[in-house]
Amino acid sequence: DQQVKQNSPSLSVQEGRISILNCDYTNSMFDYFLWYKKYPAEGPTFLISISSIKDKNEDGRFTVFLNKSAKHLSLHIVPSQPGDSAVYFCAASANDYKLSFGAGTTVTVRA
Amino acid sequence: DTGVSQDPRHKITKRGQNVTFRCDPISEHNRLYWYRQTLGQGPEFLTYFQNEAQLEKSRLLSDRFSAERPKGSFSTLEIQRTEQGDSAMYLCASSPRDSSTDTQYFGPGTRLTVL
Repeated sequence: DQQVKQNSPSLSVQEGRISILNCDYTNSMFDYFLWYKKYPAEGPTFLISISSIKDKNEDGRFTVFLNKSAKHLSLHIVPSQPGDSAVYFCAASANDYKLSFGAGTTVTVRA
Repeated sequence: DTGVSQDPRHKITKRGQNVTFRCDPISEHNRLYWYRQTLGQGPEFLTYFQNEAQLEKSRLLSDRFSAERPKGSFSTLEIQRTEQGDSAMYLCASSPRDSSTDTQYFGPGTRLTVL
């Protein structure tokens, strides 16, 4: 049962523009959400997180938005840079420590 | 570098052989997790440890899989009688405290190929 879904397998964006990645979840018990970035042949690297008591968290070029009523979160990257080209995973946990991941979105930043 | 380390990075084995992977977490992190990732999918939870105690195992972890963390530091994941379906990236992660909002930090993974 896929509790976390990333419905866009890929995203192409021009350098300097905004990248918007989306994630939907089904488990209403999820209370902590994270975004990870992954390069080929490496493990996921933590980017940014948000707890369910907030609706927005910002860290430099990265902002995560959480809409609990819609069970939806998004990651905004502004401005997009060539080094942002990677696979991005959305993950969530429900106070039980284990993370449930989406299938990932491959971002390509065009020069 | 004090990140999570995993050894080996790559392992090729023949079906039916046993393999063992090692994970060294970030120093003083008392939670350690194992995940498995197959092509085109996100990581899937396998098991986790609080210090040396194994607290939960996924139904993905068949009887051929065993994980240990004997002294609450490094961990090993052993797969007995490997099958081609075991081919995947095996990821280890650690987190610092006993809180569900602790961030998990991942190692580089061990890529297993079963021929």
